[in-house]
Amino acid sequence: DQQVKQNSPSLSVQEGRISILNCDYTNSMFDYFLWYKKYPAEGPTFLISISSIKDKNEDGRFTVFLNKSAKHLSLHIVPSQPGDSAVYFCAAADPYSGGGADGLTFGKGTHLIIQP
Amino acid sequence: DVKVTQSSRYLVKRTGEKVFLECVQDMDHENMFWYRQDPGLGLRLIYFSYDVKMKEKGDIPEGYSVSREKKERFSLILESASTNQTSMYLCASSLGGRGLSTNYGYTFGSGTRLTVV
Repeated sequence: DQQVKQNSPSLSVQEGRISILNCDYTNSMFDYFLWYKKYPAEGPTFLISISSIKDKNEDGRFTVFLNKSAKHLSLHIVPSQPGDSAVYFCAAADPYSGGGADGLTFGKGTHLIIQP
Repeated sequence: DVKVTQSSRYLVKRTGEKVFLECVQDMDHENMFWYRQDPGLGLRLIYFSYDVKMKEKGDIPEGYSVSREKKERFSLILESASTNQTSMYLCASSLGGRGLSTNYGYTFGSGTRLTVV
């Protein structure tokens, strides 16, 4: 059962336009959400996060929106640049999940392609 | 600059070989993780460890084992490599401490691209 879903495997956006990447989750215990960016042959790097007590967090060109009632979050990139072409993973944290580690649950990723 | 270092960027091994993937972090993190990334399947958790000598199975532990003898080092072992274990392997660490959202967030290594022939 996939608790974090990124339903778009890929997304193509023109340079300069807005990129919107979506993520849905099913576990109502998730209270912290993160976005990671991954280039080929590199490890993912942290991009931006949001706590469930907020509905928006902004960092430069990147903004994450959280709609708790819909269990939906989105990452907005504006304006999109060629260097933004990468795979973006949505991740969620349940602070009281079993196993003893603060494990993140990842979505399958969305491959963003910025076209010149 | 804090780091998670994976010993090899690229590896080619033969079917049936025993393979060791090493990961070292210098952040004094409690938790360490091994993932594999495959096209269309995202990041899948193989094993994780929340303390020295402690290990827990992730979603796909079959065919793998791990070792954590020291806090900073977490090794992934493929007991008898098979072609379906060809993948990108990613190690990550996190600070730890349950219930503390500020401790979430992994630092990933650069990955090891393993090819089993």
